[in-house]
Amino acid sequence: GEDVEQSLFLSVREGDSSVINCTYTDSSSTYLYWYKQEPGAGLQLLTYIFSNMDMKQDQRLTVLLNKKDKHLSLRIADTQTGDSAIYFCAELYNQGGKLIFGQGTELSVKP
Amino acid sequence: DADVTQTPRNRITKTGKRIMLECSQTKGHDRMYWYRQDPGLGLRLIYYSFDVKDINKGEISDGYSVSRQAQAKFSLSLESAIPNQTALYFCATSDPGYNTGELFFGEGSRLTVL
Repeated sequence: GEDVEQSLFLSVREGDSSVINCTYTDSSSTYLYWYKQEPGAGLQLLTYIFSNMDMKQDQRLTVLLNKKDKHLSLRIADTQTGDSAIYFCAELYNQGGKLIFGQGTELSVKP
Repeated sequence: DADVTQTPRNRITKTGKRIMLECSQTKGHDRMYWYRQDPGLGLRLIYYSFDVKDINKGEISDGYSVSRQAQAKFSLSLESAIPNQTALYFCATSDPGYNTGELFFGEGSRLTVL
């Protein structure tokens, strides 16, 4: 089956690192994604990782992929108040080319 | 102007009414999707269409129907709305030529069924 799981809330202090975790079930997923949803807006792609990679870094963002455990994480360094949003993990489910999303993690950044 | 436009952005209706949510896109993408977002449940796929003649059910299609009027237009209908269809609905598009499978989302349509 297709399932993506995330914890619902994370609270950090401004300047700290944030780590948002995700587990998925489809071992044949070729791409895994992190989308960001700001209040009152749609989702926008934040970053993605191809399944043959272990890590991807993009400025303050680091994505780690553990294929054996089917675990994906997003680390945001030096978290700012503008990073407050809901972050969705998603996998590209190969049967049908659909994206399956997790529940979303609401990140709250306190000054 | 937004590449993926949803109308209406907000709608309040009563149980039993027929509702249509519309989506149009200027990205030229073949693939279009309807998702609903509920707190704590994330986004769940209702229907998707890979081209004008292709319509597929998603995880939660019961109570919904869709129409792909053209490459650029994909409408979602609730024939007889019920309160548990109160949610935020998103339309999205993708292009199979983008090998990353990225989705491009509209800004959402908030539906409240009383």
